Amino acid sequence: DGGITQSPKYLFRKEGQNVTLSCEQNLNHDAMYWYRQDPGQGLRLIYYSQIVNDFQKGDIAEGYSVSREKKESFPLTVTSAQKNPTAFYLCASSPSGTYNEQFFGPGTRLTVL
Amino acid sequence: GQSLEQPSEVTAVEGAIVQINCTYQTSGFYGLSWYQQHDGGAPTFLSYNALDGLEETGRFSSFLSRSDSYGYLLLQELQMKDSASYFCAVRFMNSGYSTLTFGKGTMLLVSP
Repeated sequence: DGGITQSPKYLFRKEGQNVTLSCEQNLNHDAMYWYRQDPGQGLRLIYYSQIVNDFQKGDIAEGYSVSREKKESFPLTVTSAQKNPTAFYLCASSPSGTYNEQFFGPGTRLTVL
Repeated sequence: GQSLEQPSEVTAVEGAIVQINCTYQTSGFYGLSWYQQHDGGAPTFLSYNALDGLEETGRFSSFLSRSDSYGYLLLQELQMKDSASYFCAVRFMNSGYSTLTFGKGTMLLVSP
């Protein structure tokens, strides 16, 4: 079955620690995205990548970092510089030229204590 | 920048028809998408309008008026399983890259 996996589903960290969220896809999509969702809010774009070894900042990139060394993987690091990191994080992918239809992973709910 | 407005909540009964409106302001507009998200789940794509008019997919239809910067999602023959949040999202071009900006979502509550 093709799809996007994110792990873990729930993650707890202490304040001041960096944490890396995993995102893997086997859909052979070129483009991948990271979004943050807060309660009662829409999805806000953190970073996106439309090709391996290239990525762009989204609307709320401060305090986050990414890498895109492989087509199928797009990990997100939440650094200690992110002032309010507790949120639901969603990874998505889309084929080249079809950026309007994105396929989402199940999400990781990060709680920083 | 981009901004989207949609109602925060809509309620309806099973079997009814409901319309969720979305107005937007953006530059470099390419099209309007709609996504469904059940509580705690992943958003799933429902429809996309690049041109003016109505797109129909089963019980769901989506409409776009580019001149009015307005679109809506129409859900017919409502079922309990349609209770979810619905997001409109504009596709736009920014410095050669195409991305989506999402609205804050409309929570649809379907009652028996």
